[in-house]
Amino acid sequence: AQSVTQPDIHITVSEGASLELRCNYSYGATPYLFWYVQSPGQGLQLLLKYFSGDTLVQGIKGFEAEFKRSQSSFNLRKPSVHWSDAAEYFCAVTNYGGSQGNLIFGKGTKLSVKP
Amino acid sequence: DGGITQSPKYLFRKEGQNVTLSCEQNLNHDAMYWYRQDPGQGLRLIYYSQIVNDFQKGDIAEGYSVSREKKESFPLTVTSAQKNPTAFYLCARPRQGPRLGYTFGSGTRLTVV
Repeated sequence: AQSVTQPDIHITVSEGASLELRCNYSYGATPYLFWYVQSPGQGLQLLLKYFSGDTLVQGIKGFEAEFKRSQSSFNLRKPSVHWSDAAEYFCAVTNYGGSQGNLIFGKGTKLSVKP
Repeated sequence: DGGITQSPKYLFRKEGQNVTLSCEQNLNHDAMYWYRQDPGQGLRLIYYSQIVNDFQKGDIAEGYSVSREKKESFPLTVTSAQKNPTAFYLCARPRQGPRLGYTFGSGTRLTVV
């Protein structure tokens, strides 16, 4: 069965420091991968997506992610974190070819930013 | 709102009551989805619909019901059979074009009082 694991429940980084949020997926075929961000009490906003081509993808707000098939990973990175990046981040996977084609989400990583 | 609107933002339910959450979209998409979010649990699929008058159960459909009488509307009813309904509910539609993920509504927070 498809699954997504985000090993870190909560991460705290200092403003200006670099960030990496981990995501591992379990899937038999080539997955379509996504990162979403959620501010408290809000819906989810798409940061970036991968489904083919260059394994390093750029997203909004200065985020990027790298797809590594050999490690079944799709880690999210940002070189310099801003206080406004404090939010919860969700990794998701789908195949779009199955009977459902719906997104499977990880449990999320909450990011706190220290001044 | 990205073409998808949820209402109300906050909803309170008494024990034993049914309540209905609204989700409307104005971009003529066939597919719509309902997710439930609990702290530390991520998002779990309740129901989805890929065409009018048809819908499918997701992973946690027990205690919920939906209808899809119109393409633009996909209401979710939380019934009295749902034993732990307090949660944040999110409706979603596909982004323009396939393989592009979803656009989410701003959510409804349901609390049992």
